[in-house]
Amino acid sequence: GAGVSQTPSNKVTEKGKYVELRCDPISGHTALYWYRQSLGQGPEFLIYFQGTGAADDSGLPNDRFFAVRPEGSVSTLKIQRTERGDSAVYLCASSLLAGVGTQYFGPGTRLLVL
Amino acid sequence: QQQVKQSPQSLIVQKGGISIINCAYENTAFDYFPWYQQFPGKGPALLIAIRPDVSEKKEGRFTISFNKSAKQFSLHIMDSQPGDSATYFCAANGGGGSNYKLTFGKGTLLTVNP
Repeated sequence: GAGVSQTPSNKVTEKGKYVELRCDPISGHTALYWYRQSLGQGPEFLIYFQGTGAADDSGLPNDRFFAVRPEGSVSTLKIQRTERGDSAVYLCASSLLAGVGTQYFGPGTRLLVL
Repeated sequence: QQQVKQSPQSLIVQKGGISIINCAYENTAFDYFPWYQQFPGKGPALLIAIRPDVSEKKEGRFTISFNKSAKQFSLHIMDSQPGDSATYFCAANGGGGSNYKLTFGKGTLLTVNP
């Protein structure tokens, strides 16, 4: 595809459940980022991958959040024991190189925890 | 601590008018200042960006003005059109080893009336 894709587009889950959110970056982009956007707010940085490794996970709110990028392309954000406060839009972005050039964002996954 | 402050929260402009959105930052290590446009249900898309070595950058109807000493930058949309109605986010990154991490303002909801 031409842009960053994210699946699912919407996810409704119950408090305490486990969810996985997937991101397909632009082909050839080595850097991948996850952001979280709460209602009426700007995106907030969660984690950044350079290749397969998480170079900076300082934005993850707690240890219920984890992300992987095993082959340096697709990434999965995993949330354990979801809480109502986790409800937000989770955005993925990619760039050709870290810190260089534009970060291209996907459409996001809207997570609602009931 | 909010590192990028954006105003106004919302803005209504008549078609053909000028829309002005302002941002102020605190971290003097920031060295890249993009503006993103976001339509409902979509991810943010880069509109225009500036680095602090220039005071102004223009692309079509969009202009960024940058004041390094005041640590402020603004987006001007000339001849505003109804299709410009969206949420606009200023952002910044840079600062030593964190040049990949975008810090966003809270956003401005722009409505251009026909």
